[in-house]
Amino acid sequence: DAKTTQPDSMESTEGETVHLPCSHATISGNEYIYWYRQVPLQGPEYVTHGLQQNTTNSMAFLAIASDRKSSTLILTHVSLRDAAVYHCILRVGSGGSNAKLTFGKGTKLSVKS
Amino acid sequence: DAGVTQTPRHEVAEKGQTIILKCEPVSGHNDLFWYRQTKIQGLELLSYFRSKSLMEDGGAFKDRFKAEMLNSSFSTLKIQPTEPKDSAVYLCASSYSQNTLYFGAGTRLSVL
Repeated sequence: DAKTTQPDSMESTEGETVHLPCSHATISGNEYIYWYRQVPLQGPEYVTHGLQQNTTNSMAFLAIASDRKSSTLILTHVSLRDAAVYHCILRVGSGGSNAKLTFGKGTKLSVKS
Repeated sequence: DAGVTQTPRHEVAEKGQTIILKCEPVSGHNDLFWYRQTKIQGLELLSYFRSKSLMEDGGAFKDRFKAEMLNSSFSTLKIQPTEPKDSAVYLCASSYSQNTLYFGAGTRLSVL
């Protein structure tokens, strides 16, 4: 029941800004947009999340469309450490039954030096 | 600031063996999740605990998979007996009241 669509892969060069898109046309009003990333031999790492307003933290900026049907994860000054598979998923907020996570294939971000 | 700790990182078992995987959640978190990750099936929920009580289990995994929370800071996942199809990465995650989930590095299990 994957409800998000992401490109399979993207490429960038160290120091660049990368925009990773995610489409979620059937998002419900109580669903948050979460981003995780995963590198081989490691568990998924939390990146950021948001509901309606754009959010920013030390890892990334999340831009959410006004109709919430799409979002973009923006990574500035990417480094080789940012190379990973980035997953965009939808989760109901706290209090909901949300244990079953569906990670799609995600976007594999490659970073060149 | 300790995250989720899983041990061992790698486990090799013979078919029919019993193995126990361990997880220490983030301190203060009241939710604990066990998942299995494979390339084909993706992420599958095995068990979900809230404040040490089992809230959900992964249906199809009931017969040979048993997760327990011995206390709020320690959980185990027992697979008995193991089968080759159990080869996968087993992930433990924790959260506070189903807010952001934080994952451990996982245990890579190979069953021969």
